[in-house]
Amino acid sequence: EDQVTQSPEALRLQEGESSSLNCSYTVSGLRGLFWYRQDPGKGPEFLFTLYSAGEEKEKERLKATLTKKESFLHITAPKPEDSATYLCAVQGAGTYKYIFGTGTRLKVLA
Amino acid sequence: NAGVTQTPKFQVLKTGQSMTLQCAQDMNHEYMSWYRQDPGMGLRLIHYSVGAGITDQGEVPNGYNVSRSTTEDFPLRLLSAAPSQTSVYFCASTLTGEETEAFFGQGTRLTVV
Repeated sequence: EDQVTQSPEALRLQEGESSSLNCSYTVSGLRGLFWYRQDPGKGPEFLFTLYSAGEEKEKERLKATLTKKESFLHITAPKPEDSATYLCAVQGAGTYKYIFGTGTRLKVLA
Repeated sequence: NAGVTQTPKFQVLKTGQSMTLQCAQDMNHEYMSWYRQDPGMGLRLIHYSVGAGITDQGEVPNGYNVSRSTTEDFPLRLLSAAPSQTSVYFCASTLTGEETEAFFGQGTRLTVV
């Protein structure tokens, strides 16, 4: 059964304090791994898609990496506006279904 | 360009009532889906559609119906609302449903009393 586990559930950082969020997954043939950001009361907003182990993508202070078993979302020198819930999702080969993790709630303190 | 539009934003139902959550997209996307989001459970797929006239079940389909008569619209019907269906519902669309980013609506917060 395809599964996604995110850790930690919640993370508090001081402004400028870099850290990483983890997304562990099991899937029958990874078609794609996705990272989303969700602000309170809003729908998730797309950040990255990763397709194969070793791939990396960057956007401003965020960098996503992928191995065969997990993905990391690295946040460098975060700012309070980076506070949100970060969601990870996978899509397996031969399916149109996306499986989401429960998310990491990030709070960046000024 | 409106993206994905969900209505209503908030709804309170009595147990046993039926209602339809509306979802429309203006991006000519083939793939549309409905999720529910509950605390500690993440987003769970209810139903999805890979094109007009084609729908399929997700993880938690019981108590919900969908149809896709046009590319733009994908309504979700609650047949007989139950308190367990209290949740936040999100509609999403992607271009093809394969390896592509999903665009989400703003959500519908549903309370069943």
